[in-house]
Amino acid sequence: ILNVEQSPQSLHVQEGDSTNFTCSFPSSNFYALHWYRWETAKSPEALFVMTLNGDEKKKGRISATLNTKEGYSYLYIKGSQPEDSATYLCAFHSGGGADGLTFGKGTHLIIQP
Amino acid sequence: DTGVSQDPRHKITKRGQNVTFRCDPISEHNRLYWYRQTLGQGPEFLTYFQNEAQLEKSRLLSDRFSAERPKGSFSTLEIQRTEQGDSAMYLCASSLATGVLWYGYTFGSGTRLTVV
Repeated sequence: ILNVEQSPQSLHVQEGDSTNFTCSFPSSNFYALHWYRWETAKSPEALFVMTLNGDEKKKGRISATLNTKEGYSYLYIKGSQPEDSATYLCAFHSGGGADGLTFGKGTHLIIQP
Repeated sequence: DTGVSQDPRHKITKRGQNVTFRCDPISEHNRLYWYRQTLGQGPEFLTYFQNEAQLEKSRLLSDRFSAERPKGSFSTLEIQRTEQGDSAMYLCASSLATGVLWYGYTFGSGTRLTVV
């Protein structure tokens, strides 16, 4: 059973502050690491798919880094806005076996005005 | 194309009844996946199709669950003799994979099942 851990489980951040959270995953048999944002009553929205050790990706105020050797990824949000409130999910995609993703439980982010 | 569509959005059923959900993927996507999310957990992989072939099934997919993708387009997920433990959000996703290239998932909004 693959273990994907996200921390913290939930986070309250003041509007305008920056924040980050962590995803840890197995360091063997790595294919890709995904980040999704999931707002209530909507579909999970793909943020990043990262494949190479040392990858850094950016989308507006959100960025992510990847360390496949030690099995972790960080997601950063700069200058949080109320619309950033959502659950952020990471998912590990292994290179062999099932093609399905193994998700963490998510970090529930609430931005307080 | 408006993305991945799932129907219904919500379903309430009595224990023991059968239910069927439908997923319409993005038309040019050849892969289709089903996931289930229960309270406090991340989505868990159930099964996936490449075109009409069901290539992988999770141990979570008991014999009461069956999924089909008859023409390689839409898919249905049927749960027979529902149990309260089947209450969850059922998510469908699709992707395009060609050879070794793979272009990421697009998820639907899910079907929330409540078994009473």
